[in-house]
Amino acid sequence: QVKLLQSGAALVKPGASVKMSCKASGYTFTDYWVSWVKQSHGKSLEWIGEIYPNSGATNFNEKFKGKATLTVDKSTSTAYMELSRLTSEDSAIYYCPLFLGAFDYWGQGVMVTVSS
Amino acid sequence: DIQMTQSPASLSASLGETVTIECRASEDIYSNLAWYQQKPGNSPQLLIYDANSLADGVPSRFSGSGSGTQYSLKINSLQSEDVASYFCQQYNNYPYTFGAGTKLELK
Repeated sequence: QVKLLQSGAALVKPGASVKMSCKASGYTFTDYWVSWVKQSHGKSLEWIGEIYPNSGATNFNEKFKGKATLTVDKSTSTAYMELSRLTSEDSAIYYCPLFLGAFDYWGQGVMVTVSS
Repeated sequence: DIQMTQSPASLSASLGETVTIECRASEDIYSNLAWYQQKPGNSPQLLIYDANSLADGVPSRFSGSGSGTQYSLKINSLQSEDVASYFCQQYNNYPYTFGAGTKLELK
């Protein structure tokens, strides 16, 4: 069955960067777009962007250009997102959903806390 | 960006009741709309895609309808396990956008 296993929670200082992972299994990793979605505490969902593992092609929400970098490692079926120049506004849960017909499968989420 | 206006923001209903949640897009999204359920502490789960197609394993008491800019999610015969937040999402245009969510509670 499809699984998306995300890395653990992170506590990072303002101005630093954080890189999180999303390890996929149960399907052909290179065939489908993997997205990243932000959920700030108690709020709705924001689409950050997506990556096509086969080619590395990406699409981004303009709001997150310069903030998020998306990469993949095809050898381990893992997608990565790095967030840079972190501020308190970046404290949130980050999910990696898999787009089939819609966001059919979701990782368990990574809680990122930005605090000094 | 396409704005997704979801209503109501919160909803209180009794067991066995039928509830409806609405979502209006700021432009035509050609039925490229999904509904998700999110329970506290959990990831969102897909309920409906393409406006009216039931995702695998989702109970048949959930249904979606609509076209153009107006869409709705209906839950028939509300069960206790349906207490959750519900979000609509359009995937017709980039950036994909979500509604603000509806928090469903039991009366």
